[in-house]
Amino acid sequence: AQTVTQSQPEMSVQEAETVTLSCTYDTSESDYYLFWYKQPPSRQMILVIRQEAYKQQNATENRFSVNFQKAAKSFSLKISDSQLGDAAMYFCAYNTGTASKLTFGTGTRLQVTL
Amino acid sequence: KAGVTQTPRYLIKTRGQQVTLSCSPISGHRSVSWYQQTPGQGLQFLFEYFSETQRNKGNFPGRFSGRQFSNSRSEMNVSTLELGDSALYLCASSLTSGVGNEQFFGPGTRLTVL
Repeated sequence: AQTVTQSQPEMSVQEAETVTLSCTYDTSESDYYLFWYKQPPSRQMILVIRQEAYKQQNATENRFSVNFQKAAKSFSLKISDSQLGDAAMYFCAYNTGTASKLTFGTGTRLQVTL
Repeated sequence: KAGVTQTPRYLIKTRGQQVTLSCSPISGHRSVSWYQQTPGQGLQFLFEYFSETQRNKGNFPGRFSGRQFSNSRSEMNVSTLELGDSALYLCASSLTSGVGNEQFFGPGTRLTVL
């Protein structure tokens, strides 16, 4: 069974600094996608970034980038120039197969301080 | 374009009752997935519907069921409610079913079972 592990329940970063959230996964599949979702206090989940396993190049979206280490089954999220609005729960998720099912990690709560 | 809508937003029921939650996907999206979010179990996949057919089902008892209509709107039903069914129920829509599709989440329905 596929599993997703986020070992950091909580993280804190100062405004304008950089923070990295960790995620590891376990799978025997060769074709899969990895995602980072953000869930602010309003509870609406928002896709932050997506990475296809076949692509060697790490995905980036503005201030958000990933470090995808396929052999190590690691998928960390780096947030640069952190802003107060980045404070939220961040979930790492995995998707494979022919359906849309997402398997989520337990989440990391990110606090952003002044 | 309107986002994913879920009704009702909040619901209070008593044990033994049944409940129906509704999800309207983004216009043009044909896949709807449902997730249960609890503090103890995290985010767990319930099921996915695509073109009125169930594509995938998570590890939940038969009390949890769903359906999808020809306009892609989806409903999920929980019969004989238990205290442990108290959760945030999220639905997500995507253009189609399959690996890697971006899923757009609704704001959720908060179900409380007394």
